Formats: sequence, structure tokens, C-alpha cells
Amino acid sequence: QKEVEQDPGPLSVPEGAIVSLNCTYSNSAFQYFMWYRQYSRKGPELLMYTYSSGNKEDGRFTAQVDKSSKYISLFIRDSQPSDSATYLCAMSAGQGGSEKLVFGKGTKLTVNP
Amino acid sequence: DAGVIQSPRHEVTEMGQEVTLRCKPISGHDYLFWYRQTMMRGLELLIYFNNNVPIDDSGMPEDRFSAKMPNASFSTLKIQPSEPRDSAVYFCASREYSSTDTQYFGPGTRLTVL
Repeated sequence: QKEVEQDPGPLSVPEGAIVSLNCTYSNSAFQYFMWYRQYSRKGPELLMYTYSSGNKEDGRFTAQVDKSSKYISLFIRDSQPSDSATYLCAMSAGQGGSEKLVFGKGTKLTVNP
Repeated sequence: DAGVIQSPRHEVTEMGQEVTLRCKPISGHDYLFWYRQTMMRGLELLIYFNNNVPIDDSGMPEDRFSAKMPNASFSTLKIQPSEPRDSAVYFCASREYSSTDTQYFGPGTRLTVL
């Protein structure tokens, strides 16, 4: 079993739709959870960061972490064509555990106008 | 700050040639990471440095790959000899010592080995 599993999609939605992206993981030591957005032919950029369990909201984006289920989600409300990108989840055990980020393979999202 | 800088942005070479990729991390960042991204395998960590010292190179695929960080503002990833299966996008990322583990990525080097 891979440490981090992410459905690669692709996912295609109409503008304005609510998008749900998910990852599961197997390492219970993970406590830092991130979502990166990667536009075509660009480097990944940090979108959301969450420590341990709970929700975090930033504008149209909400990140959720359920450590009991080893499951994280990213929700995008009122999706826009500019949200079209590949979304990668990433996680680490942090200092004292491991400083390495483990990435999912990414989900390619297209938002159609 | 200009962000993480990588060069070259594109590299096309023939099998057997030596390839050197370069990275300048964000000033003040203590950690530097080298990744490789392919469609099949996603984003894979190759090696990372802390304060210019290699910490974990377990992701380096084989002895053909080597990485150095001679000072805090420069790192290289070398492939010698290169093979077609090395074709990928290579990213460099850096982060500062903090509790968040947030990494900042460069634009990548797209390597094609013919």
C-alpha cells in the first residue's frame, strides 16, 4: 500500500460547481497536511496548510483532515476556470518524525466555462 | 525575493551525456529538496539537504545521480551518464526551519534524454 493515495482523475466540472478532492494515507505519524496547486508547466505552489485534524477555510477553499480515518479533503466552492490545475496533497510527520513531504500523484481538474 | 531559481528550464541531451541541473534556493531557507516528476510516478523526492549537508538521499535512483550543495545559495543535481528513462521534470524546493514544513518550489527543469 502506498503511503498516500490520490485519485488522478481527470475531473471535469462546470463553472460554479463545488469540487471535492481527496487523499487517503496509511502513516499514522503524519500530522502536517498540505494541498499544492500546480498549473501546467509550472512548479507546485502551496494552496492550503493544516496541522493535525480539523477544518481550515480560505476564501473559496476548505481543507479538512480526519486523522481517525486517515483521510483529507479539499473543497472548492464556486469553482472558476482559473482553478483548472493539478491538485496534489502532501503530508509529513514533521520535525522529530520526518521532515520529508510525501505527495499524492495529483488530481487533474478542469473547470469548464 | 525572486523565489527558487532553476536552470536550465529545458534540457535536451543524448543518452550517455552528462547533465547538470542547478538551483538557487530562497535566501535564508535552511532546507533544499530535489524532486523528480513523471506522469507514471508523480512527484518523487530524490534528496534533501539541511544547512548544506545531505540528510536523506534514499530517493536517488542509482549511482548515476549525484547532488551537491557547496553553499547556502547553490545546489546541483548531476546525472552521468544520462539515460532516456531519466526524462522528467526536475524540481528544486526550499523551506526555512519552522514548524510548518511548507516548501516553495522552483519552476522546474524539463529534461529530455534522447
